[in-house]
Amino acid sequence: QSVLTQPPSASGTPGQRVTISCSGSSSNIGSNAVNWYQQLPGTAPKLLIYSNNQRPLGVPDRVSGSKSGTSASLAISGLQSEDEADYHCAAWDDSLNGVIFGGGTKLTVL
Amino acid sequence: EVQLLESGGGLVQPGGSLRLSCAASGFTFTSCAMNWVRQAPGKGLEWVSAISGSGGSTSYADSVRGRFTISRDNSKSTLYLELNSLRAEDTAVYYCAKWKGADYDWRYYFDYWGQGTLVTVSS
Repeated sequence: QSVLTQPPSASGTPGQRVTISCSGSSSNIGSNAVNWYQQLPGTAPKLLIYSNNQRPLGVPDRVSGSKSGTSASLAISGLQSEDEADYHCAAWDDSLNGVIFGGGTKLTVL
Repeated sequence: EVQLLESGGGLVQPGGSLRLSCAASGFTFTSCAMNWVRQAPGKGLEWVSAISGSGGSTSYADSVRGRFTISRDNSKSTLYLELNSLRAEDTAVYYCAKWKGADYDWRYYFDYWGQGTLVTVSS
């Protein structure tokens, strides 16, 4: 069982805005940054958001991240078919002294 | 361009051993901690092990401590994972993942991933 909690699935139609939540505790999200990874079908994860809300080069600005207290969110606006993927949140956990992941959220573009 | 190429996966019987390799290129290998992260079929990601850029510090998940050994050869820009006493629950795709900093700590994150190598533990 993952220490960070994500909904197993999310969906939206093209052009819509969708958000994916990630809930943790004071020892992880509450005291450390959250990072998000996108995993397209059959491929390796790719860094999507780092340090709560920073986008690596090449990630469009319709993708954004936020954090409040012990929860974080990933938002994708102007949804496109190529956004269909699994999304994983991750954070350092001070108690475990290592990175923990959420269970992943499968985003479907209807 | 950063490239991480894993190899060494395959089918192994319970109790058996395997050695995974990850050949790195496109960045200063010694400046980055390196990790192994696995993903069981249909499941989420699980961090397995980390090693600092110098190789002087290692970390393991509780689920593999005492059975797996991480190492690196900085002269060859290659990361390794020795898997021993394998169990069915170790079946997963094993990814090599580059850490943003030289030390595996709270400040950084995984910034590049390899394509993964499949390890199947079954009789």
